[in-house]
Amino acid sequence: NAGVTQTPKFQVLKTGQSMTLQCAQDMNHEYMSWYRQDPGMGLRLIHYSVGAGITDQGEVPNGYNVSRSTTEDFPLRLLSAAPSQTSVYFCASSYSVGNQETQYFGPGTRLLVL
Amino acid sequence: AQSVTQPDIHITVSEGASLELRCNYSYGATPYLFWYVQSPGQGLQLLLKYFSGDTLVQGIKGFEAEFKRSQSSFNLRKPSVHWSDAAEYFCAVGASSGGGADGLTFGKGTHLIIQP
Repeated sequence: NAGVTQTPKFQVLKTGQSMTLQCAQDMNHEYMSWYRQDPGMGLRLIHYSVGAGITDQGEVPNGYNVSRSTTEDFPLRLLSAAPSQTSVYFCASSYSVGNQETQYFGPGTRLLVL
Repeated sequence: AQSVTQPDIHITVSEGASLELRCNYSYGATPYLFWYVQSPGQGLQLLLKYFSGDTLVQGIKGFEAEFKRSQSSFNLRKPSVHWSDAAEYFCAVGASSGGGADGLTFGKGTHLIIQP
């Protein structure tokens, strides 16, 4: 298993540009999430999904879109990037059996918006 | 709304000394509580989690945490730190045993510095 993979590792955008951050997992996990990490702020939930075709908003969803057409992929779209979206983005996935669930985080994508 | 407070932004500990990182939470129901560690430039690794049963939880790398419902706390401890423990530590609360079903709420983190 490759685990949770994120691409790209690093991206520079200009204000107003759009891009998609990719997240994929090969563990057949039902749950997937996107977080952003900013200095002194910890991680904050952007969007999450409990299965293919099902997504919901987290704490800071504005400016981001998601979709979950397959179990494996959960892309995060920035339609018009803003400097406030400069951050490190982490994708996570997990699978629950009763009370046994472990969430795995990807290595992150560092985004700089100029 | 749920929240997590980590009162200490930075903590400096001498190598070999004991460590305690504080975490207080606010949550309406029985919480699932987690401690994650993040080494510089790396992703997050789960150290331990609590959701029921024994209030003292053992984790990886020699860490343990104690859940105290009356104090709404879930403090992380280690009896003797190593230089490799220098990292950022995050406490988190969620509604499921792994946090994936509806996401986790994280604290702002505590930066641990190890002095030789």
